[in-house]
Amino acid sequence: QKEVEQDPGPLSVPEGAIVSLNCTYSNSAFQYFMWYRQYSRKGPELLMYTYSSGNKEDGRFTAQVDKSSKYISLFIRDSQPSDSATYLCAMSANGNNRLAFGKGNQVVVIP
Amino acid sequence: NAGVTQTPKFQVLKTGQSMTLQCAQDMNHEYMSWYRQDPGMGLRLIHYSVGAGITDQGEVPNGYNVSRSTTEDFPLRLLSAAPSQTSVYFCASSRTNSGNTIYFGEGSWLTVV
Repeated sequence: QKEVEQDPGPLSVPEGAIVSLNCTYSNSAFQYFMWYRQYSRKGPELLMYTYSSGNKEDGRFTAQVDKSSKYISLFIRDSQPSDSATYLCAMSANGNNRLAFGKGNQVVVIP
Repeated sequence: NAGVTQTPKFQVLKTGQSMTLQCAQDMNHEYMSWYRQDPGMGLRLIHYSVGAGITDQGEVPNGYNVSRSTTEDFPLRLLSAAPSQTSVYFCASSRTNSGNTIYFGEGSWLTVV
């Protein structure tokens, strides 16, 4: 079983809809949870970061971590065409560069 | 304001050739690493370094070598390129133990024919 599972199926939503993305993981040592956004032919850029369990909100973005279920989520409210990108979940045990990534979700927001 | 700089951006190699992907950061970060990104596979860690002179293997190290002679530079060497190494390569850097400030380069697209 891969350490981090993320359903890579493309997701198309109309502008203004809520986008819901999630990942599951198997390594209970993971404590640092991140969501990266990656535009076509660009490097990943950090979108949200959460340490341990709980919720974090930043503008239209909300990240949730449930360590008891080994499940993390990202919600994008009032989605915009500029949100069209691939979203990658990533996590690590000790906060350094040794990240385990999900496969990524391609999101398309249709105007 | 360079951040993490990777060169070259695009490269085509013949099977068996060797080459080096360059990575440089100007943020005085201790941690640097190399990932490869393949369709349907996500990003996978190749090698990483926690400081000058210290390197270690990641998830998929075979066929790659690294060295870290300075804080700024972390080159990735392909010893004898194989078609399976066709991929997009990303270099990343961060301060020590700071999972929330990992910066990625723009990527290097490598095709091995």
